[in-house]
Amino acid sequence: DAGVTQSPTHLIKTRGQHVTLRCSPISGHKSVSWYQQVLGQGPQFIFQYYEKEERGRGNFPDRFSARQFPNYSSELNVNALLLGDSALYLCASSLRTAIYGYTFGSGTRLTVV
Amino acid sequence: LAKTTQPISMDSYEGQEVNITCSHNNIATNDYITWYQQFPSQGPRFIIQGYKTKVTNEVASLFIPADRKSSTLSLPRVSLSDTAVYYCLVRSGTYKYIFGTGTRLKVLA
Repeated sequence: DAGVTQSPTHLIKTRGQHVTLRCSPISGHKSVSWYQQVLGQGPQFIFQYYEKEERGRGNFPDRFSARQFPNYSSELNVNALLLGDSALYLCASSLRTAIYGYTFGSGTRLTVV
Repeated sequence: LAKTTQPISMDSYEGQEVNITCSHNNIATNDYITWYQQFPSQGPRFIIQGYKTKVTNEVASLFIPADRKSSTLSLPRVSLSDTAVYYCLVRSGTYKYIFGTGTRLKVLA
């Protein structure tokens, strides 16, 4: 069975640009969460989606948005990129909420120059 | 909201038992505590999850005292391949899950 897949694996963008990151959860998992991990720090919670609805949001500006599709895949969008948005963006899927434990993808490494 | 604290780093020798503690206040009484392992440039990997007392699986044990203000991950007989960063994960708010500060474990030969 495929695990959590994220695309692209690496990405370089210029300040002010927009980026879309994609995630496909494990088959049967209905919840997708997004985390940002800056180098040397722990993952920071951005969003959780369950059954296509936003269920939780972390302390991130409105430049960050996401959505979940009927097949439970998800996109994370970041507008007006800043240098500080450079990070590993992790997608995690779970059956329902993280109470059942997350399975993480390998992440998308975003570099903003 | 819950806050978590872990030791920044630990060193151990191969074959020793390693215990990593996460302090977490304000977690809900019905919430699980989950631990993850992370290698560089990879996503965190689930290790173990528990609700109270003691849980054991094939790779680790998790001890949670009655007050649930902390949890301790125990790795028996570590090897070089256990060198990684270890995080606890708890719920903070209705649908918000936060990682601990992370503990960088270095296993020495």
